[in-house]
Amino acid sequence: QKEVEQDPGPLSVPEGAIVSLNCTYSNSAFQYFMWYRQYSRKGPELLMYTYSSGNKEDGRFTAQVDKSSKYISLFIRDSQPSDSATYLCAMSAGNTGFQKLVFGTGTRLLVSP
Amino acid sequence: DADVTQTPRNRITKTGKRIMLECSQTKGHDRMYWYRQDPGLGLRLIYYSFDVKDINKGEISDGYSVSRQAQAKFSLSLESAIPNQTALYFCATSARTGVETQYFGPGTRLLVL
Repeated sequence: QKEVEQDPGPLSVPEGAIVSLNCTYSNSAFQYFMWYRQYSRKGPELLMYTYSSGNKEDGRFTAQVDKSSKYISLFIRDSQPSDSATYLCAMSAGNTGFQKLVFGTGTRLLVSP
Repeated sequence: DADVTQTPRNRITKTGKRIMLECSQTKGHDRMYWYRQDPGLGLRLIYYSFDVKDINKGEISDGYSVSRQAQAKFSLSLESAIPNQTALYFCATSARTGVETQYFGPGTRLLVL
C-alpha cells in the first residue's frame, strides 16, 4: 500500500463548478500537508501549505486536513479553465532532522469553458 | 528570470551513455533535491543536499550520482543510462527550515533509447 493515495482522474468539470480534490494517507506521523499544481510540461508549483489539522483558505482555494481520518482535501471555488492542471498532494512528518516529502501521484483536473 | 533553472530541458540519449543534468537556483536556498516523476508513481526522491558538503541518497539513488558544485548548483549524473531511467527529472530547493515548502524547476524530459 502506498503511503499517500490520490485518484489520478481525470476530473472534468464545467467552468464555475466547485472542485474537490482528495488524498488519503497511512502514516499518522505526517504533520505538514501541501498541495502543488503542475501545468503540462512545467514543474510543480506550491499552492497551499497547512500544518496539522484544520482549514486554510487562500482566495478561491481551501485546504482541509482531517488527521483523525488521514484525509486531506483541496477545494476550488468558481473553477476556471486556467485551473486545468494536475494537482499533487504532498506531506511530511516534520522538520526535525530530515523528513522527506511524500507525494501523491496527482489528480488531473479539466475545467471546460 | 526563473528562480530554479534546469538544463537541458529535453534530452535523448542511448543506453550506456553518460549524461549530466544541471540545476541552478537564485533563491539563496541551502537545500537542493533531485526527483524523478513517472506516470502512476509520482515524484520520487533521488538525492538531496543540505549544503555543499552534505549530500545524501534518497529512495531511488541506484544508477545516479550527484555533485554540489556550489550553493546554487546541483548536478545529477547518469553514469551509464538505461531505458528505465526514461522519466521527467526535477530539481527543487528549500530554505534551511522549510523542507516542506520546496520550489521546483521546470524539469528535464529524458528519453533513453
